Amino acid sequence: AQTVTQSQPEMSVQEAETVTLSCTYDTSESDYYLFWYKQPPSRQMILVIRQEAYKQQNATENRFSVNFQKAAKSFSLKISDSQLGDAAMYFCALGAAGNKLTFGGGTRVLVKP
Amino acid sequence: NAGVTQTPKFRILKIGQSMTLQCTQDMNHNYMYWYRQDPGMGLKLIYYSVGAGITDKGEVPNGYNVSRSTTEDFPLRLELAAPSQTSVYFCASSLLAGPGSNEQFFGPGTRLTVL
Repeated sequence: AQTVTQSQPEMSVQEAETVTLSCTYDTSESDYYLFWYKQPPSRQMILVIRQEAYKQQNATENRFSVNFQKAAKSFSLKISDSQLGDAAMYFCALGAAGNKLTFGGGTRVLVKP
Repeated sequence: NAGVTQTPKFRILKIGQSMTLQCTQDMNHNYMYWYRQDPGMGLKLIYYSVGAGITDKGEVPNGYNVSRSTTEDFPLRLELAAPSQTSVYFCASSLLAGPGSNEQFFGPGTRLTVL
């Protein structure tokens, strides 16, 4: 069985500052993928960033970057230069065989102007 | 392209009623998925399909049925609605399950309340 744990129910950040969201996971698969999804109040699930487990280099997408520690099974998301539009729920997800996703419980990000 | 569409957006059911949640994708994706999201929680996989005619159970399949007669459509059936099925339901699709092609595209969700 796969598990994904997000230990921070809520994080608050000042506009233009940086916030880091934590995620740990467990899987017996050797080939897997990790994702961060954003869910704004509209409920739409939006892919933020993706990391293949076989790649050592951390993924980066504009202001979003990850710190992937494979041995520690850790996959944190850093949001730099936070903007008001970044306020949302963020979900860490693990994808393995059949691309079935296992989601964490989510972290709510609040951005203060 | 419309992407992944779901109908209805909202629905209220009485206990014991049945309904079908519709999901259609126009991206010619092989893989399709149904998830549910309970309040304040992450998404959980109900059923998935790797192609027309092939379906399999996910983490929480009890009380649901699916079919996949075409590549485009993947309806989810609730036969005897129960209050525990009150949730938001998301349909998703992906082209394949391999590197570079495994992004799942999600529909806007259906909010279902069972009273």
